[in-house]
Amino acid sequence: NAGVMQNPRHLVRRRGQEARLRCSPMKGHSHVYWYRQLPEEGLKFMVYLQKENIIDESGMPKERFSAEFPKEGPSILRIQQVVRGDSAAYFCASSPLTSSYEQYFGPGTRLTVT
Amino acid sequence: AQSVTQLDSQVPVFEEAPVELRCNYSSSVSVYLFWYVQYPNQGLQLLLKYLSGSTLVKGINGFEAEFNKSQTSFHLRKPSVHISDTAEYFCAVSGQSGGSNYKLTFGKGTLLTVNP
Repeated sequence: NAGVMQNPRHLVRRRGQEARLRCSPMKGHSHVYWYRQLPEEGLKFMVYLQKENIIDESGMPKERFSAEFPKEGPSILRIQQVVRGDSAAYFCASSPLTSSYEQYFGPGTRLTVT
Repeated sequence: AQSVTQLDSQVPVFEEAPVELRCNYSSSVSVYLFWYVQYPNQGLQLLLKYLSGSTLVKGINGFEAEFNKSQTSFHLRKPSVHISDTAEYFCAVSGQSGGSNYKLTFGKGTLLTVNP
């Protein structure tokens, strides 16, 4: 059973460009979560999605950040007009329907903004 | 809302020595508790979790943790560490209610370095 997959693993963007991060949940999991890890910090919750629905986006910055989990295909975290402060590791996790606290994490995407 | 404090940012130990990584939490509601391990440039792997029942929880790789409700702690222990245990360890908490149990709150992590 393949785990949570994220791509790309490393992404370099210049200030002002767009970053698109992809996450495919574990087989059978219908819930996806995105977390951000800043240097020397723990992970911070960003958003919780189910297929075609955003359940909780309370941790998302109000501007430039958006997330989706379409009916078909991976979940996408999109960051428009990136700034240096967006440089971080972005982790996706997934969980089964019945236990949303039991989250399995992907390897992360390390975003560097130059 | 919950918060997690990992009291030690770095813990160096020698191989085969015992280790304890400390975690305290704050919450106004009943919680679930977790320990994750992150090896360099990798994602987080679940070590163990406390949901209910016995306060002593055993996890993978010989780790265990004890939930102490009165002290709001969930310390991680291993009686004899290996070089391969060198990694960052994160304590996490979530509320138990269905409306919030998906939102994991993490501590800042403890870097465990096992020296030969």
